[in-house]
Amino acid sequence: DTEVTQTPKHLVMGMTNKKSLKCEQHMGHRAMYWYKQKAKKPPELMFVYSYEKLSINESVPSRFSPECPNSSLLNLHLHALQPEDSALYLCASSQVIGTSGLLSTDTQYFGPGTRLTVL
Amino acid sequence: DQQVKQNSPSLSVQEGRISILNCDYTNSMFDYFLWYKKYPAEGPTFLISISSIKDKNEDGRFTVFLNKSAKHLSLHIVPSQPGDSAVYFCAAARSQGNLIFGKGTKLSVKP
Repeated sequence: DTEVTQTPKHLVMGMTNKKSLKCEQHMGHRAMYWYKQKAKKPPELMFVYSYEKLSINESVPSRFSPECPNSSLLNLHLHALQPEDSALYLCASSQVIGTSGLLSTDTQYFGPGTRLTVL
Repeated sequence: DQQVKQNSPSLSVQEGRISILNCDYTNSMFDYFLWYKKYPAEGPTFLISISSIKDKNEDGRFTVFLNKSAKHLSLHIVPSQPGDSAVYFCAAARSQGNLIFGKGTKLSVKP
């Protein structure tokens, strides 16, 4: 089973709204990721969680707030977004392998994404 | 500066023939390479990967070749099928696990 699920599938929100995107995996993966993908562009990494701790934040604006409540769940809380934040938001997960304190990960498996529109 | 480049935005191939998708990278620290397939409005689906210690990995109709000296990898699909029509992303990673994606190549397989 290599399934990563994301809800909702589509989300339309105003610039003053607060909403959350959810991601879930039951593969026992201990690394989880948020990516943003604009049309005709490759996915761009936003955040990486390893063992439920934030390990990489790619200088994402604070209006995006990630949360990893447990090893299976990853949330992305949205507040005061801008229309240019409209995109496909992808969640991914992978195993964490190796030691030495570095985040060394295996193949990433992606969810279907949430199509976000900010009005 | 793009670290992973897919210079062909699109490729059209006849059903049954070979599809060859190319990818170049600039960072010699990358040690793991992956190919993902993506349909519109869906998340990328993992296809095949290769570690930098290998030069070839095969899985069914899909074969990935890695030429480290040229910093080049390619994905071969044989035989191509209409269901293979999608956007293919090449991705590269260092041990830190941060995937860097190319811009993708749209493959169209014509019956």
